[in-house]
Amino acid sequence: QKEVEQNSGPLSVPEGAIASLNCTYSDRGSQSFFWYRQYSGKSPELIMSIYSNGDKEDGRFTAQLNKASQYVSLLIRDSQPSDSATYLCAVLSGGYNKLIFGAGTRLAVHP
Amino acid sequence: ETGVTQSPTHLIKTRGQQVTLRCSSQSGHNTVSWYQQALGQGPQFIFQYYREEENGRGNFPPRFSGLQFPNYSSELNVNALELDDSALYLCASSPRGGKDTEAFFGQGTRLTVV
Repeated sequence: QKEVEQNSGPLSVPEGAIASLNCTYSDRGSQSFFWYRQYSGKSPELIMSIYSNGDKEDGRFTAQLNKASQYVSLLIRDSQPSDSATYLCAVLSGGYNKLIFGAGTRLAVHP
Repeated sequence: ETGVTQSPTHLIKTRGQQVTLRCSSQSGHNTVSWYQQALGQGPQFIFQYYREEENGRGNFPPRFSGLQFPNYSSELNVNALELDDSALYLCASSPRGGKDTEAFFGQGTRLTVV
């Protein structure tokens, strides 16, 4: 079982729709979770962090965390073509703050 | 713009050669981590440096080594390059902290081994 799992996609949504990206993790002791956006050929960019159960909203982005189900999600409202990218879910692990990444979900927003 | 800078941005090396990649951390950040990202995969943790000492290592062979300098900048060295070392190498800078520590990446170095 992979430590962090994501659906590789591509997830295709029309412009203006809500994109829903999901992630599961195996370490029940994990406390810190991050979403990074990565455009093709570029480095990952941090877009959301979440540490407590529930929802955290930042602009068009909402991160959701359910530790009991070991599940993290990212919702993107009013999706734009510029949101087309790979979204990486990362979990903080170990005493030295190592990030464990999923393989990423490729999102395509079409006009 | 994260304030984390890496050099060079692109590099082509021959199998068996050695390479050094460099990273300058964001101002105020004393911890640097290195990751390898192969095509189509998520970044994989190589190691982390804090106060000039290695502070955790992933599943990479000893030919991957590093340094951190007093100004918190860092180097990644890879000896005896193999074709499978071709990847995007990412440096992440963070403050030393607890569970709410956020890491920010540089633009990466694309290494091609031929």
